[in-house]
Amino acid sequence: GAGVSQSPSNKVTEKGKDVELRCDPISGHTALYWYRQSLGQGLEFLIYFQGNSAPDKSGLPSDRFSAERTGGSVSTLTIQRTQQEDSAVYLCASSLAFGRGRGTQYFGPGTRLLVL
Amino acid sequence: AQKITQTQPGMFVQEKEAVTLDCTYDTSDQSYGLFWYKQPSSGEMIFLIYQGSYDEQNATEGRYSLNFQKARKSANLVISASQLGDSAMYFCAMREGRTGNQFYFGTGTSLTVIP
Repeated sequence: GAGVSQSPSNKVTEKGKDVELRCDPISGHTALYWYRQSLGQGLEFLIYFQGNSAPDKSGLPSDRFSAERTGGSVSTLTIQRTQQEDSAVYLCASSLAFGRGRGTQYFGPGTRLLVL
Repeated sequence: AQKITQTQPGMFVQEKEAVTLDCTYDTSDQSYGLFWYKQPSSGEMIFLIYQGSYDEQNATEGRYSLNFQKARKSANLVISASQLGDSAMYFCAMREGRTGNQFYFGTGTSLTVIP
């Protein structure tokens, strides 16, 4: 597909379980971002990957959150020991590297996570 | 200080009228980019329009235009001839930094178009 894809689209889990969220960026986009959006709120930056550089993890809210990007393409966001406050929509975006374009981010449809 | 400020939590506009959504930003960088995104109830963030800090002309994309006032650090979105499908959340965002990876979003404005 031409756009950013995310899976699953919806995830319901029990408190304390681990979850993995997947993001497939637009082909050729070297930059990848993860955001969290709670109900009715703005976007909270979580983590940023650019090519082979070390990721910017400054937005991760706790050590229960981690992310990796394999082969410079697909990314997985993992939340360990989920808590109810983790319930939110997790959005992934990708862009060309700044300097090769405007840095416009293109977003996926998001994963709606509900922790019971 | 907030990097992006959107002071209008909610706006209403009559169908076919124009509406302006406000956005002010804060940066000390000379090179930066400003973006507007639309988020309908389906949840996906849709890119609308971009303005570079060095662009002398206001950006336009169809019915969307960006009123860029650099000295006032404002980047208001103008939607002309509003349509019912324009009802959504609208987010202003800024990219700054030498590497361009610092990206900030405002809290959004909810726009409702009234028939």
